[in-house]
Parts: sequence; C-alpha cells; structure tokens
Amino acid sequence: SQELEQSPQSLIVQEGKNLTINCTSSKTLYGLYWYKQKYGEGLIFLMMLQKGGEEKSHEKITAKLDEKKQQSSLHITASQPSHAGIYLCGADLQGGSEKLVFGKGTKLTVNP
Amino acid sequence: DTAVSQTPKYLVTQMGNDKSIKCEQNLGHDTMYWYKQDSKKFLKIMFSYNNKELIINETVPNRFSPKSPDKAHLNLHINSLELGDSAVYFCASSQVRTVVREQFFGPGTRLTVL
Repeated sequence: SQELEQSPQSLIVQEGKNLTINCTSSKTLYGLYWYKQKYGEGLIFLMMLQKGGEEKSHEKITAKLDEKKQQSSLHITASQPSHAGIYLCGADLQGGSEKLVFGKGTKLTVNP
Repeated sequence: DTAVSQTPKYLVTQMGNDKSIKCEQNLGHDTMYWYKQDSKKFLKIMFSYNNKELIINETVPNRFSPKSPDKAHLNLHINSLELGDSAVYFCASSQVRTVVREQFFGPGTRLTVL
C-alpha cells in the first residue's frame, strides 16, 4: 500500500477558482515537502512543513500540516494557468532521514 | 547557471545494452540522490550519497550502480537494460545540515528501452 496518499489524482478547474490538494499518511510526517513538476522538467520546491499546525504561504499557494502531523493540504487561491502542473508531496517518515517518500501526484489543469 | 544538470536528457537504447546517466550539481551540496519516476508518475528514491558515501540504497536491482567521483557528481550506470527500466530518472541534491533541507532536482533523463 502507498505510504503517502494524494487526492485527487487529477483536477481540472476554471481560472480564478480556488482548489485544494491533500496528502495523507498513516505515519507521522516529520518533514513534509510540496513540489511542483511541469512536463519535461524537474521538480520545483514549493514549501516545507515540520511542525504540527504549521501553515506557510507563498504568493497564492498555502500549505498546512495538521496538528497530528499526518495530513497536509495545499490550497491555491484564484488559480491561474501558470499554476498548472503536477503537484507532489514528499515526506520524511523516519525522522531526520534524507529519504523522501513521494505521493503519486495530483495533475492540475487550469482552463482559461 | 543550472543548479542540478543531467545528461543526456533523452536516451533510447536496446534491451541488453549498458548505459550511463551523469549528474552534476553546482550548489555546493553534500548529498545527492537518484530517483526513478515510472509511467504512472510515481517517484521513488533509488540511491543517496553523502560526501561520496552511499547512505540510501533502496531495493534496486544490482544492474544499477551509482558512482560518485566527488561531491558534485553522481552518475548512474545501468547494465543489461530491460524493458521495465524505461522511466524518467531524476537526480537531486541537498545540504543536510540545514533546517529546511529541500532537495533540488535536475530536469530528468527520459530512458526508453526498446
């Protein structure tokens, strides 16, 4: 079974709409990383969360880690076509490990 | 300047061949990684080197052999290529003695085995 579950698998929204992507684990998320991948390119680091209840924002993207440190959400406000891509969550499930386990990704399409 | 670079970007080869993918980072990081992303976009770690020493070695066939000649380079050599090796291979690097420790990824190498 997958250690990190992402939902939804894909998402199609109209430009200007808000959306949320979830990342859930049955294990403690000691470090939770959100990345964005565009086709044919590598992963671009967005944000990292470590503490339960932590929330970070960058431009129109906000990421939260729940108090139990087993679920994270990525929220995009007023989506734009430039937000399109595959969003991946990666996590340190061992604590202090360099090994990141990744979810299967959420493919976001933003229609103008 | 490219932070993490990989060559080649595309690699098409026949089953049974041996091939290498090269990775270089100019960020001064002490840790480098190889990931495999399969056709379903599932990204999974294969290896990690810290200061030229192997620290992560997932369940990967021994046909795959990483080599780190120095801290800035981590190459991946694959012997006797099989159809199932077709995937996108990503190199990444990080600096472990930092708080955030985000990994910087290369653009990927798309390997197609025919």
